[in-house]
Amino acid sequence: QKEVEQDPGPLSVPEGAIVSLNCTYSNSAFQYFMWYRQYSRKGPELLMYTYSSGNKEDGRFTAQVDKSSKYISLFIRDSQPSDSATYLCAMTRDDKIIFGKGTRLHILP
Amino acid sequence: DAGVIQSPRHEVTEMGQEVTLRCKPISGHDYLFWYRQTMMRGLELLIYFNNNVPIDDSGMPEDRFSAKMPNASFSTLKIQPSEPRDSAVYFCASSSGDRDMEKLFFGSGTQLSVL
Repeated sequence: QKEVEQDPGPLSVPEGAIVSLNCTYSNSAFQYFMWYRQYSRKGPELLMYTYSSGNKEDGRFTAQVDKSSKYISLFIRDSQPSDSATYLCAMTRDDKIIFGKGTRLHILP
Repeated sequence: DAGVIQSPRHEVTEMGQEVTLRCKPISGHDYLFWYRQTMMRGLELLIYFNNNVPIDDSGMPEDRFSAKMPNASFSTLKIQPSEPRDSAVYFCASSSGDRDMEKLFFGSGTQLSVL
C-alpha cells in the first residue's frame, strides 16, 4: 500500500460546481497536510496548508483533514475555468514531504 | 524576488551523455529540494539540503545521480551516464526555516528527454 493515495482523474465538472478532491494516507505519523496546484508546464504552488484535524477556509477553497480516518479533502466552491489544473496533496513526516500523484481537474465553461 | 530559477527549461540528450541541471533557490531560503515528476510515479523526492548540507539522499535512484550545493545560491543535479528511463521533469524547490520547511516554492522545472 502506498503511503499517499490520490485518484488521478481526470475530473471534469461544469463551471460553478463544487469540486471535491481527496487523498487517503496510511501512516499516522504524518503531521502537516498541504494542497498544491500545478498548471501545465509549471511547478506546483502551495494552495492550502494545515496541521490539525478540521476545516480551514481560504476564499473559495476549504481544506479538510480527518486524522482518525486518514483522509484529507480539498473543496472548491463556485469553480472557475481558471481552476483547471492538477491538484496534489502533500504531507510531511520525519522532515520528508510526500506527494500524492495528483488529480487532473477540468472546469468546463 | 524572481522565485526559484532552474536551467535549462528543456534538455534533449543521447543515452550515455552527462546531464547537468541547475537551480538557484530563493534568497534566504535554508532548504533546497530536488524532485522528479513522471506520469507513472508522480512527484518523487530525490534529495534535499539544509544550509547547503545534504540531509537525505535516499531518493536518489542510482549512483549515476549526484547533487551538490556549493553555496546558498546554487545547486546542481548531475546524471552520468544518462539513460532513457531518466526522462522526466526535474523540479527544484526551496523553503525557509524549520517552521516553514513544508511550504515549498518550486521552479518551473527542467524537461529532460534522453534518447
